[in-house]
Amino acid sequence: NAGVTQTPKFRILKIGQSMTLQCTQDMNHNYMYWYRQDPGMGLKLIYYSVGAGITDKGEVPNGYNVSRSTTEDFPLRLELAAPSQTSVYFCASSYTENEKLFFGSGTQLSVL
Amino acid sequence: GQNIDQPTEMTATEGAIVQINCTYQTSGFNGLFWYQQHAGEAPTFLSYNVLDGLEEKGRFSSFLSRSKGYSYLLLKELQMKDSASYLCAVRDSNYQLIWGAGTKLIIKP
Repeated sequence: NAGVTQTPKFRILKIGQSMTLQCTQDMNHNYMYWYRQDPGMGLKLIYYSVGAGITDKGEVPNGYNVSRSTTEDFPLRLELAAPSQTSVYFCASSYTENEKLFFGSGTQLSVL
Repeated sequence: GQNIDQPTEMTATEGAIVQINCTYQTSGFNGLFWYQQHAGEAPTFLSYNVLDGLEEKGRFSSFLSRSKGYSYLLLKELQMKDSASYLCAVRDSNYQLIWGAGTKLIIKP
């Protein structure tokens, strides 16, 4: 049972480049989330999904896009990368909105 | 606004007991979580409180007082592997998780 698998682990982008962070879970969870974690700050929700075909904005969605075509996959797209997007990104999932989150191993992204 | 407050850093001695406090002001309350996060790793679930009182799980316990907007995580018989950040998170009335910045716990021999 792999849980939540997130790739890549590290990435360096130049300003203006684009990339997709991949996230897949094999626990049949309905809810999936993308967070960013910056030093000295709590996790901030970027986007979330309550099921296939349904996505919604979180607290800090600007500069990002998501899709949820299947229950398993929830990729995060960065368009026109900016230095402010330098952060550690975590994908997470839960079976319901009440339950604990399972996290992927994280992606450390630097935009230079 | 919504806010979670926890101390930035704490230091404790191996074998001792430490209490990490968390206070919150949120729009509604639907449960409080504690997660452990080792440096460079993902957060992992420790405990969940939705009713007032103490939840005990081995060396770790978590307490909640909803009327005071307060929780603490109690770690007993500290081990070096407990050196990590401890994140407090509250689920608000919209079932969104509001996260504290975390408390970095340093364990000294």
